[in-house]
Amino acid sequence: GQNIDQPTEMTATEGAIVQINCTYQTSGFNGLFWYQQHAGEAPTFLSYNVLDGLEEKGRFSSFLSRSKGYSYLLLKELQMKDSASYLCAVRDSNYQLIWGAGTKLIIKP
Amino acid sequence: DTAVSQTPKYLVTQMGNDKSIKCEQNLGHDTMYWYKQDSKKFLKIMFSYNNKELIINETVPNRFSPKSPDKAHLNLHINSLELGDSAVYFCASSPSGEDSGNTIYFGEGSWLTVV
Repeated sequence: GQNIDQPTEMTATEGAIVQINCTYQTSGFNGLFWYQQHAGEAPTFLSYNVLDGLEEKGRFSSFLSRSKGYSYLLLKELQMKDSASYLCAVRDSNYQLIWGAGTKLIIKP
Repeated sequence: DTAVSQTPKYLVTQMGNDKSIKCEQNLGHDTMYWYKQDSKKFLKIMFSYNNKELIINETVPNRFSPKSPDKAHLNLHINSLELGDSAVYFCASSPSGEDSGNTIYFGEGSWLTVV
């Protein structure tokens, strides 16, 4: 079967750095996405990785290792507004998105 | 302008009723989707339409039927609603093609509660 694993919940302090991990087992790989979802709202696109390495976009960075089936999302200089769920999704060999259950990130002052 | 819009945002209805959720996108995308997000927060794809043709039909009950009058619309009709249908339903769209970077854009969601 196909599955995406990420921690259910994480807590971090405002101004700090947090890393959210995602491991995947899918039939083929055609890219990995990170989405942010605030409570009661729709998921919004954060980042996309298809090659190994780090993609940086402002305070957010995403890393991919295809050989390890592993990615992480790194959030720097945390702000209270970063409190949300972060969803990892992998596009498989049929170009279908397989979604993780999301990691709820709680930011404390 | 909202890129992907769906209505209604909130819907409370009784078991056994039939209801529809409408979705429209103004992004010019060829592919539209319906996702269900249950209480455990898993996003599960229900249907995908590409150029008005159904290309994915996951194992959802046949009480759920997608209807696409044109490329910009994909409505979801649900017959004989059951308690387990209570969830958030997201409409989404993306460009077509095999470009792996195609990003999916979501609507704001429709909160369905069956009582």
